[in-house]
Amino acid sequence: QSALPQPASVSGSPGQSITISCTGTNSDIGGYNYVSWYQQHPGKAPKLMIYDVSNRPSGVSNRFSGSKSGNTASLTISGLQAEDEADYYCSSYTSSSTLVLFGGGTKLTVL
Amino acid sequence: QVQLQESGPGLVKSSETLSLICVVSGYSINSGHFWGWIRQPPGKGLEWIGSIYHRGSTYYNPSLKSRLTISVDTSKNQFSLNLSSVTAADTAVYYCARHTAASVFDSFDIWGQGTTVTVSS
Repeated sequence: QSALPQPASVSGSPGQSITISCTGTNSDIGGYNYVSWYQQHPGKAPKLMIYDVSNRPSGVSNRFSGSKSGNTASLTISGLQAEDEADYYCSSYTSSSTLVLFGGGTKLTVL
Repeated sequence: QVQLQESGPGLVKSSETLSLICVVSGYSINSGHFWGWIRQPPGKGLEWIGSIYHRGSTYYNPSLKSRLTISVDTSKNQFSLNLSSVTAADTAVYYCARHTAASVFDSFDIWGQGTTVTVSS
C-alpha cells in the first residue's frame, strides 16, 4: 500500500494560518482514530505534534491542531512562525497488512 | 528522560545483511510499549519497517517481511533490526522509535536521532 497523499508544499506568511491535508480511505483514516502528525526539520528526527487525530503531546504549542472529516485528516498551524518551516508527515493505522502508513510529506515554507 | 540511540555500520555491501541496534535509556523496555523501526531514503518520505513488543511479538511491513527480523534483548534494554539481501533501495536513514502506548496502532512519541546506512555495490 502506497503513502497517504499530502500536498507537496504549502506556504504562508508569519501570523497566518495554514492547513495541511492527508487523504486516506475507510481502511485507515476514515475507519480509525489513530492519525498522527510529525514535524521534521532538515537533518533532524521527526517530532510528534499530534496523536489520535487531535491530541497534542505535552510541550507542543497549542498553535498546532488536528482534525478529521471522513477519510481526510488535517493539521492546522495558526499564528505561523519562522520556526514552523519544516516537513510535515501524517500517519495512520491501516487495517491492511501494512498496519502503519505515512503520508508522502508536505514542505511548509514560511514566507 | 527517555532516549533512544541507534548504532551500526554506516556502509553495507549489496546482498549482505544490515544490522542495527537501538539502545533505550531512561526507560525500561519492559514497561509495556511497542518499539519500532522507521526509515527514510534520501530526499524521500518515511516508511514504517516493523515493531516489536518486549515480550517478543512482532509486526512487519509486508514489503520487507521476507528479509526482516526484529528482536528484543530486555537484559540490555535494547532492540535490533536485521535486514538481509540488501540492495541500493535500502539506502536510508534508519530511526528507532517508541510507540506512544502498548499498541502498534499508535503513534511514535520518542525517536532516536537516526543513523545513515548506505548500501554499496
